[in-house]
Amino acid sequence: GENVEQHPSTLSVQEGDSAVIKCTYSDSASNYFPWYKQELGKRPQLIIDIRSNVGEKKDQRIAVTLNKTAKHFSLHITETQPEDSAVYFCAAKVTGGGNKLTFGTGTQLKVEL
Amino acid sequence: NAGVTQTPKFQVLKTGQSMTLQCAQDMNHNSMYWYRQDPGMGLRLIYYSASEGTTDKGEVPNGYNVSRLNKREFSLRLESAAPSQTSVYFCASREDRGLADTQYFGPGTRLTVL
Repeated sequence: GENVEQHPSTLSVQEGDSAVIKCTYSDSASNYFPWYKQELGKRPQLIIDIRSNVGEKKDQRIAVTLNKTAKHFSLHITETQPEDSAVYFCAAKVTGGGNKLTFGTGTQLKVEL
Repeated sequence: NAGVTQTPKFQVLKTGQSMTLQCAQDMNHNSMYWYRQDPGMGLRLIYYSASEGTTDKGEVPNGYNVSRLNKREFSLRLESAAPSQTSVYFCASREDRGLADTQYFGPGTRLTVL
């Protein structure tokens, strides 16, 4: 089955700096890659996603890049703000079989003032 | 729309007790999922239901059973709770119109097994 690895497990940045979180996946058939943000005590919420036919996608201060050849994808957050502090999860989906997502282990992002 | 709802929010069980976690969605989604979240391990899939009347095992199904009662409801049952099942449980449903793939999560149930 699919295996998703996520790095780093913790990331501390100064407010205004950029943050990058990286994920690798194992199954070349994976075709959908969402990123979820989870604030303390809350549910995971989708912040951005990308499909395998696209190399990059942006939404205001966040962007995701995908390298299918290397089987890795990354989340980029620019001009970080304290409210960006949360745990971020990447995931990968293989077509069929219930359209299941396999999640990475999460990155705790802390934005310091 | 309430989205995905879960009950209870918190539960404490003794080893060997049983309980059912309830999940419902009002978005007319076909697919529903149960995950558990443990520190440092992300979200792991327990069971899923691709459509009403079908259920399948995920990554960590041992010790659990599920029921897809109807299109709206998907319950998770622990027949004989063990301390290893202490976790936060999330239910999710998937938007499956056209190319949409987003999974929407419920608020979670925090379960402690003593």
